[in-house]
Amino acid sequence: NAGVTQTPKFQVLKTGQSMTLQCAQDMNHEYMSWYRQDPGMGLRLIHYSVGAGITDQGEVPNGYNVSRSTTEDFPLRLLSAAPSQTSVYFCASSYPGVNTEAFFGQGTRLTVV
Amino acid sequence: AQKVTQAQTEISVVEKEDVTLDCVYETRDTTYYLFWYKQPPSGELVFLIRRNSFDEQNEISGRYSWNFQKSTSSFNFTITASQVVDSAVYFCALSEAYNFNKFYFGSGTKLNVKP
Repeated sequence: NAGVTQTPKFQVLKTGQSMTLQCAQDMNHEYMSWYRQDPGMGLRLIHYSVGAGITDQGEVPNGYNVSRSTTEDFPLRLLSAAPSQTSVYFCASSYPGVNTEAFFGQGTRLTVV
Repeated sequence: AQKVTQAQTEISVVEKEDVTLDCVYETRDTTYYLFWYKQPPSGELVFLIRRNSFDEQNEISGRYSWNFQKSTSSFNFTITASQVVDSAVYFCALSEAYNFNKFYFGSGTKLNVKP
């Protein structure tokens, strides 16, 4: 059972570079989301999706793009990396219902120099 | 707007002590979900518990217990007889009832359990 898989686990970028963080889930969950974790700030929502073809902005969307062409995949694109985007990124999937929970990937530690 | 506050940034206890982690939330919704997640030093997020807003029953799971009080908008987490393996960052989170995508996290409480 893979659950939610994020790649890469670690990445160093130079300022201005672009890259895509990959996220895939094999649980057929409708909902997927991206969070960033910064020291002392918990996790903050970047973008989320309620199904293939549908995405929306979260709390801190600037500098990031997402798309959802399939139920399984939800990539996060950094358009032009900045040092302020140095963070740990978590992808999550969830499902509607009273027994809901969010399943998180292992995280991607990104450093922008 | 939704907000979760974990006022305790870091707590240190000696093994076998009991410890309570506080969580206070704000929401205008009448239906919502509350969660606790554990983040051990390895970095992954581990689900501990979910509580629905219409269920105020407290819950006990082994050494863990949770106290949900809507009157004070609190969802506190107690570890009884703490162990070194309990050392981690603990996050309280709130989810909207009709958007299971959107989790609002507190800033986390780092628990250090010393032998």
